Order: sequence, then structure tokens, then C-alpha cells
Amino acid sequence: DAGVIQSPRHEVTEMGQEVTLRCKPISGHDYLFWYRQTMMRGLELLIYFNNNVPIDDSGMPEDRFSAKMPNASFSTLKIQPSEPRDSAVYFCASSPAIGVSEAFFGQGTRLTVV
Amino acid sequence: GESVGLHLPTLSVQEGDNSIINCAYSNSASDYFIWYKQESGKGPQFIIDIRSNMDKRQGQRVTVLLNKTVKHLSLQIAATQPGDSAVYFCAERRIFGAGTRLAVHP
Repeated sequence: DAGVIQSPRHEVTEMGQEVTLRCKPISGHDYLFWYRQTMMRGLELLIYFNNNVPIDDSGMPEDRFSAKMPNASFSTLKIQPSEPRDSAVYFCASSPAIGVSEAFFGQGTRLTVV
Repeated sequence: GESVGLHLPTLSVQEGDNSIINCAYSNSASDYFIWYKQESGKGPQFIIDIRSNMDKRQGQRVTVLLNKTVKHLSLQIAATQPGDSAVYFCAERRIFGAGTRLAVHP
């Protein structure tokens, strides 16, 4: 397996624009996580899914953020409208189970909002 | 538990020395802990895990110790190598700590 695949690797956008980040988890993994990493706040869990169903979205910072998982092999994290403070590295991770197994992370998407 | 990473603590060691990275957690009901290593430009990568019914677990050159009494976790790296230079995170299930930067000097 190629691991968790995220796209794009880098995204530069203007404030107010919509941004969509994409993730393909490892096949067979039932859990998918979206994290945001910044120097100020470290690695924050935004939302996670189990079998394509959102389980906990309490980490989503604002209504401008939304995440979907239409099928077992694809998830998106959307920011609309984007703001400069959204600039961060966004990671997607997947896991075969929760509480008994580690998460496998993608390479991340570095988002810069100018 | 959760942390705010305003200043990432740094541990500097000489190549060949042993390294010990510490982590505290707040939830006494926590039952599964994971150590991750993050190299520059990459996502976190699994190193070793431990469940709360254990006090110690060993891997290749790494040992994790769990002290449930004081809610403390440590990662020991034996014979530290330049390739060990990275940021190390402890995580309680899916929640990450602030991280510690390990700098290995030749």
C-alpha cells in the first residue's frame, strides 16, 4: 500500500477563497483523522470518522471548516472562506482501529493564506 | 493530554549517548499511549506504543516506561544517532502532546 495520500502538498490561496484538501486513507482502515499543525498550537485533532461517519468534530475551529467522507477511500477538508490564520500544515491519518492501534499519517498539506 | 506548543522544549545529546524524552498526561483513565517521531517536512511516524496494563515496553533501541501513579510517560532511545534528530510526540490515543525536539550532535 502507498500509505495515506494527501493532495495538494502545498496550497497558496488568497484570503476569502475556498480551499479543499484531499485525503486517500490506507485501504481497509476504518478510521480517518484530520489534524492541523501550527507552531503555536501544535498538533490539533479537528475531526475523525469511523466507517465514513463523522464521530467527533469538536476540534473543528469554526463553521468555515467542513469535512466529508463520501466513501471509504476519500475524504475532504474544506475551508470557506479561508483566512490568514488558517495557514498551517494539515495532516490526514488513518487507522485500522482506535485505542489499540497507531495512526498512519500522510505527508501533509502546507496551506498558506495570504 | 492536550498542550499548547508555544515553545518546543529541546533535548540536545551527543551521538552515542542515551536520550530520555518525558511526557505527562492528565487523564487517569487513559489506557493507550503512543510515541511518534516527526522529521522535518513529514507526518508523524509511529515508534512504539504501550497499554495501561503495562509498565514497560521495549523495541529496537527504544523503551517506553509508563508510571500511572504520577501520570508520566518516557521514551528512552539507546545509542542515539544523528538520524534520531526529530520532534517526538507522545499521544493518548488520538490526542497529541506538545512535542520535544531532539537534536543529536556528532
